[in-house]
Amino acid sequence: GAGVSQSPSNKVTEKGKDVELRCDPISGHTALYWYRQSLGQGLEFLIYFQGNSAPDKSGLPSDRFSAERTGGSVSTLTIQRTQQEDSAVYLCASSSGLAGGETQYFGPGTRLLVL
Amino acid sequence: DQQVKQNSPSLSVQEGRISILNCDYTNSMFDYFLWYKKYPAEGPTFLISISSIKDKNEDGRFTVFLNKSAKHLSLHIVPSQPGDSAVYFCAAPRSGGYQKVTFGIGTKLQVIP
Repeated sequence: GAGVSQSPSNKVTEKGKDVELRCDPISGHTALYWYRQSLGQGLEFLIYFQGNSAPDKSGLPSDRFSAERTGGSVSTLTIQRTQQEDSAVYLCASSSGLAGGETQYFGPGTRLLVL
Repeated sequence: DQQVKQNSPSLSVQEGRISILNCDYTNSMFDYFLWYKKYPAEGPTFLISISSIKDKNEDGRFTVFLNKSAKHLSLHIVPSQPGDSAVYFCAAPRSGGYQKVTFGIGTKLQVIP
């Protein structure tokens, strides 16, 4: 596609439920990133993919968070047993993965509200 | 450990004047810096970048200055326009052999007509 797309754009869920957030990166981009931005906070790195592997999961806040990427393209971020503090905008970005391709292109985000 | 710091959470500037957004970093290994702009309800978009081999990069109304000895960079917007009102993030790739980028917490710029 022309840009990074994310779905759903908004998600309201009840505490304790599981949610899945989807990211479609720019075609051909091998690097994919998940961030979140809580209210009044900056961008918090969650996880990075190069191809289908995730060399850096250091940003995942707890074991309730997991992510996968299949076919070197679409990625899914799963939050199990959601808590109210998980409410945030979850942003996905992709980059070419090549030297000099540091620029990340962001999707519009998924706004998650946990009641 | 916040390696990229934006100490001003907000800034208000009159239309037509210069906007200066500041960013400090602590990791001397950073060699590339980016500025992103974010409107409400949208993802950040790339604005301008600078390599550590330069001390200035200009793109239209936007200029980024890098002072390596002070570990400081700044984004200048001249003249400021109301459409520039957004949150601006400073970012730097982190060490580790891949393109993991550390972002500052952002500065909210308001350009007053």
